[in-house]
Amino acid sequence: QPVLTQPTSLSASPGASARFTCTLRSGINVGSFRIYWYQQKPGSLPRYLLKYNSDSNKQQGSGVPSRFSGSKDASTNAGLLLISGLQSEDEADYYCAIWYSSTWVFGGGTKLTVL
Amino acid sequence: EVQLVESGGGLVQPGGSLRLSCAASGFSFSSYEINWVRQAPGKGLEWVSYISSSGSEIYYADSVKGRFTISRDNAKNSLYLQMNSLRAEDTAVYYCATFGDAWGQGTTVTVSS
Repeated sequence: QPVLTQPTSLSASPGASARFTCTLRSGINVGSFRIYWYQQKPGSLPRYLLKYNSDSNKQQGSGVPSRFSGSKDASTNAGLLLISGLQSEDEADYYCAIWYSSTWVFGGGTKLTVL
Repeated sequence: EVQLVESGGGLVQPGGSLRLSCAASGFSFSSYEINWVRQAPGKGLEWVSYISSSGSEIYYADSVKGRFTISRDNAKNSLYLQMNSLRAEDTAVYYCATFGDAWGQGTTVTVSS
């Protein structure tokens, strides 16, 4: 089972909200990790969106709008990325990452379609 | 302006070697941990290697351990990746990245005969 699991795809309408999940493998407690989120559009380098550990320990990437936010769901052992007020330009791949056991681990990525 | 610029990519035969470089500017390079991350065509992001700000801690992904060597020269604001015994599956765009806001544009490595 992978360390981080992300759904392959997600669809949402313009103006709506999109909720991305990044589920940690059983036995790895989401409460112990900072979750990093990246956006990547076709042909472009990854863009750092934010990192989230708790509401008092989080960081927004430079120039990233506040409609991008992070959180955690302890009940599902998942890190979450929420994008509100979806725009067509938000269509991209979204990756989560954690620093785990002296390695960086990425999730497989979720492709967001805004339709 | 924070900038990372990779170089050194190219076409190499299986079993060959390449040395990637990453030149940093616009921030205090010597204070930052930094990594190499790669992305194979049509695939997701894969972390390759990490080096601490001083160079005293180094880690590798299992897929490259024993073949790749990361190093840095803080006096030259530069990061390196020596890649030996290259395989077709090493074909990817290689990025240097702090895992925060600083990511390079990437350099393409193609391993093919």
